[in-house]
Amino acid sequence: KAGVTQTPRYLIKTRGQQVTLSCSPISGHRSVSWYQQTPGQGLQFLFEYFSETQRNKGNFPGRFSGRQFSNSRSEMNVSTLELGDSALYLCASSLEGQMSSGNTIYFGEGSWLTVV
Amino acid sequence: AQRVTQPEKLLSVFKGAPVELKCNYSYSGSPELFWYVQYSRQRLQLLLRHISRESIKGFTADLNKGETSFHLKKPFAQEEDSAMYYCALIHSGAGSYQLTFGKGTKLSVIP
Repeated sequence: KAGVTQTPRYLIKTRGQQVTLSCSPISGHRSVSWYQQTPGQGLQFLFEYFSETQRNKGNFPGRFSGRQFSNSRSEMNVSTLELGDSALYLCASSLEGQMSSGNTIYFGEGSWLTVV
Repeated sequence: AQRVTQPEKLLSVFKGAPVELKCNYSYSGSPELFWYVQYSRQRLQLLLRHISRESIKGFTADLNKGETSFHLKKPFAQEEDSAMYYCALIHSGAGSYQLTFGKGTKLSVIP
């Protein structure tokens, strides 16, 4: 079955603009989470959604937001972009909302965002 | 708060030599730990998890609660093992979960 799909793969934005990234989880997966990956900070948790509800949020400013649709697809939005938002944004999905021993988190290839 | 530490940013070994990628964690609850690998130009993928106690591609990792460590080991490194390796800890609570990652170790296997 298809893996986690993220679009767009690459994009360039200017400071002050806003951006929307999309993630389609593996079919049947209801939990979607987002991570930011940068050379300096590594992989950092942004937020997690399950059944259209944000259940957990990382330590990021309110400019970072997201949502999940009824088909489990998710979007994240970053408003008023700053140079420091340049990063690889990873989406991950899992079948269950809880971390049981049989549950695995699968990652997409990511969306490369460059802010100039 | 939970924390994962990978002390080595870069580890270079010769092909056929043993490999040990270090990971230490800090977590107040019962930890569930993972190793993820990211090969060049590929997505992050799960290598192994301590609960399953399995060996993947010759890699093993044992959870040592006394030393709060989860080091990744392989007896004989192969060139195809060159990649970024991330140790991660699951933090569950309030009906949700999140992964806390270490900064990663780049493994370079020299032919």
